[in-house]
Amino acid sequence: DGGITQSPKYLFRKEGQNVTLSCEQNLNHDAMYWYRQDPGQGLRLIYYSQIVNDFQKGDIAEGYSVSREKKESFPLTVTSAQKNPTAFYLCASSPEFGGGNTEAFFGQGTRLTVV
Amino acid sequence: AQSVAQPEDQVNVAEGNPLTVKCTYSVSGNPYLFWYVQYPNRGLQFLLKYITGDNLVKGSYGFEAEFNKSQTSFHLKKPSALVSDSALYFCAVRGLNTGFQKLVFGTGTRLLVSP
Repeated sequence: DGGITQSPKYLFRKEGQNVTLSCEQNLNHDAMYWYRQDPGQGLRLIYYSQIVNDFQKGDIAEGYSVSREKKESFPLTVTSAQKNPTAFYLCASSPEFGGGNTEAFFGQGTRLTVV
Repeated sequence: AQSVAQPEDQVNVAEGNPLTVKCTYSVSGNPYLFWYVQYPNRGLQFLLKYITGDNLVKGSYGFEAEFNKSQTSFHLKKPSALVSDSALYFCAVRGLNTGFQKLVFGTGTRLLVSP
């Protein structure tokens, strides 16, 4: 089945620890995105990637890093610099950069909790 | 800058009654508009989109939305609500300007359908 796979579903991070969230897609989409979801705040864009080896900061990139070494993969690292990382993280992809009139496809999300 | 407003945090409706979830947007030029639904601890699922043409758009699960350019609105509707429609609904907009056009989401509206 085609789709976007995020792992793990639940992740616990200790103070001062970096963690990496995985996002893999087999839809052959060019563009990939990371969003953060907090209650009452909707979805906020962290990073996006137009094409392999290219990525750009979104609205709330501080404390996060990404890589795009393969078209299928767009991992997100939550660094210790992110002071409030507890949230639900959603990865998405779309067929072309910007997506235009095409909808984005979402993974099932990763819930990150600081312990 | 693009923005989306979902003025209601929650909408309550009885099963079998019609439902409306409101969305207004702000964007330069003509918009691409989307509705997504999210079930607990899951990713977003695409419901429908407005690109151009007929102002009434039909989508998945019996949902439809009406684009009103003069009121800059894109309200989601369903003639007869089901208990299984209870979920979190997001409206999103993307502008038609050149270059990267990120998908901007509203804060979401929780729909509760009572039996």
